[in-house]
Amino acid sequence: DGGITQSPKYLFRKEGQNVTLSCEQNLNHDAMYWYRQDPGQGLRLIYYSQIVNDFQKGDIAEGYSVSREKKESFPLTVTSAQKNPTAFYLCASSIGSGNSPLHFGNGTRLTVT
Amino acid sequence: QKEVEQNSGPLSVPEGAIASLNCTYSDRGSQSFFWYRQYSGKSPELIMSIYSNGDKEDGRFTAQLNKASQYVSLLIRDSQPSDSATYLCAAQMDSSYKLIFGSGTRLLVRP
Repeated sequence: DGGITQSPKYLFRKEGQNVTLSCEQNLNHDAMYWYRQDPGQGLRLIYYSQIVNDFQKGDIAEGYSVSREKKESFPLTVTSAQKNPTAFYLCASSIGSGNSPLHFGNGTRLTVT
Repeated sequence: QKEVEQNSGPLSVPEGAIASLNCTYSDRGSQSFFWYRQYSGKSPELIMSIYSNGDKEDGRFTAQLNKASQYVSLLIRDSQPSDSATYLCAAQMDSSYKLIFGSGTRLLVRP
């Protein structure tokens, strides 16, 4: 089945450590996205990529980094510079043309203590 | 700051009633609009997309778009307890294909 796989589902880290969240898609989508969701809030865009080897900052990119070396993969690193990293992280992809909706993975819930 | 606004709710309706969810957006240049349903602890799933003024129906769901008023709505007919979830409105605001999401409206359908 085609879809978006995020791993792990739950992740626990100590403050000061970098952590990388995995996102893989086999939908052959060009565009991929990372969103963050805090309790009771909507989704906020961290980074997005419309094509391999290119990505753009979203609204809350500070403290995060990404790479897009392959079409299928768009990993997100949460660095120690991110002040409030505990959140629900959602990866999504789309065809990349106008009017195309996003399809989401199941999310990674990151807890940093 | 380009925004999408939704009433956080909860909106409580009895089973079998019509639930009406509303959304406004700030960017007149927005072209594409989407409704997602999100159950607690889960990721959003796409329910409807709408691109032109008027109504679009899909089963029990109807999306309505009024670009002049910068207003999008979602009607759920014959509401079921399984429809209880948070509904997110999203708008595509420029040519970069990224979506801006509202904070969501929580819907409760009472049996």
